[in-house]
Amino acid sequence: ETGVTQTPRHLVMGMTNKKSLKCEQHLGHNAMYWYKQSAKKPLELMFVYSLEERVENNSVPSRFSPECPNSSHLFLHLHTLQPEDSALYLCASSEGSGEYNEQFFGPGTRLTVL
Amino acid sequence: GQNIDQPTEMTATEGAIVQINCTYQTSGFNGLFWYQQHAGEAPTFLSYNVLDGLEEKGRFSSFLSRSKGYSYLLLKELQMKDSASYLCAVRDRNTDKLIFGTGTRLQVFP
Repeated sequence: ETGVTQTPRHLVMGMTNKKSLKCEQHLGHNAMYWYKQSAKKPLELMFVYSLEERVENNSVPSRFSPECPNSSHLFLHLHTLQPEDSALYLCASSEGSGEYNEQFFGPGTRLTVL
Repeated sequence: GQNIDQPTEMTATEGAIVQINCTYQTSGFNGLFWYQQHAGEAPTFLSYNVLDGLEEKGRFSSFLSRSKGYSYLLLKELQMKDSASYLCAVRDRNTDKLIFGTGTRLQVFP
């Protein structure tokens, strides 16, 4: 149990659907992250939120829209995705967004876009 | 630019020792992390190195040489449950972002 939960664990959606991924951390951390993990590729940072403010948007297409209503919750809203967006989406949290701050990861949402 | 290199796959025998290497190039270095990720599960933190030398934690040790841009993760007394992917990640000093390698998939055989 890492203290970071993600729902759903698996999601299949069509290219015209709208869906949302949810992440919740129970660790009292101030920073939250979205990563994309594709087969045979490194983990790619998508978004960073620190104290509920977006501090990093790593050139992610606008069909991915993050939302951080408070320091414990992070959402990733999905709209008109492409098949190449199929991947494991991992949420992580840390005490802060800089220096030595070990990131704690959630189990991920396995997304398949048809 | 930034680049992290680690072997794609490794195999080893139960009870043996295995060393997983990681080399990196980054414009500004501010620490190196090793994570373990079992199939279908979250990456979990194993170790952190920011100064040169060896950090030991039970059966796992991690080494760093900043001048060589090199780290390794040493796993001793291998167990079947050590079969997993091992991710090397470097924190970029300029951006504070973690840059991950592709991971090394380790298979431990009886």
